[in-house]
Amino acid sequence: QVQLVQSGAEVKKPGASVKVSCKASGYTFTGYYMHWVRQAPGQGLEWMGRINPNSGGTNYAQKFQGRVTMTRDTSISTAYMELSRLRSDDTAVYYCARDRRSGGILYYFDYWGQGTLVTVSS
Amino acid sequence: DIQMTQSPSSVSASVGDRVTITCRASQGISSWLAWYQQKPGKAPKLLIYAASSLQSGVPSRFSGSGSGTDFTLTISSLQPEDFATYYCQQANSFPPPITFGQGTRLEIK
Repeated sequence: QVQLVQSGAEVKKPGASVKVSCKASGYTFTGYYMHWVRQAPGQGLEWMGRINPNSGGTNYAQKFQGRVTMTRDTSISTAYMELSRLRSDDTAVYYCARDRRSGGILYYFDYWGQGTLVTVSS
Repeated sequence: DIQMTQSPSSVSASVGDRVTITCRASQGISSWLAWYQQKPGKAPKLLIYAASSLQSGVPSRFSGSGSGTDFTLTISSLQPEDFATYYCQQANSFPPPITFGQGTRLEIK
C-alpha cells in the first residue's frame, strides 16, 4: 500500500532553516510528482510547490521563491523540502502529497504524508 | 492567482441530511477542480477530482458537479463520519500556484 512517512516535529528560531523529509513506499517513487502543502494553525491549505522525482525538476509558488528548495534522493525514495529564513508566520504543519497521475502531473493529491509540525519561535 | 471562494464557511446538519457546498473560482478553470475532506489532526483526503470523478474508495454518497467557475460538492445522506472540513482546490496549472478554498466546516446539528 502507498505510504508517505514524514520526519518529526521541529522547533526553529526565526532566521533558521528547516528540512522536512517524506519517505515513500508502496509504489515507484520516480513515477509520480510530489507536492508540498502547508497549513498554519486553524487555517486553510497552501500549495508550496512540486518536484519531479524522476528528473529533479521543480516548480515553486512565487510566494516561496528564493526561500524553498525541494530535492529528492531516489536511492531511498525520499523527497525533501527545505525552507530558509524562517519567520513566525511559517509556523505550520507541512505535508507532502503525491500527484494522482503516473508519469505526468495533474495537481490532484491522492496520498498524503501524516504532516510535520514546524514551530518558529524565539 | 486564481482565488477560490467556498460557501458557506460552516454548516450544521443532521445525520441523513443532504448537504451541498459550493466553490467559485475567480476565473474559469474548466473542470480542473478537486474536493478534499479533512478531519482534525489528520491529512486531507481526496474525494473528487476533475470536478465530478469519484476517487477510488470514496463512498458514492459524495458527488461533484460544475465547470468553468461554479462547482458543488453534494453529500446525499450524511453519515456520522462525514462531519469534517471540506476544501475545494483548483488544479489549473497555468498559471501556478495551485490554490484552495478557505474551507467549509460541516458540523453536527
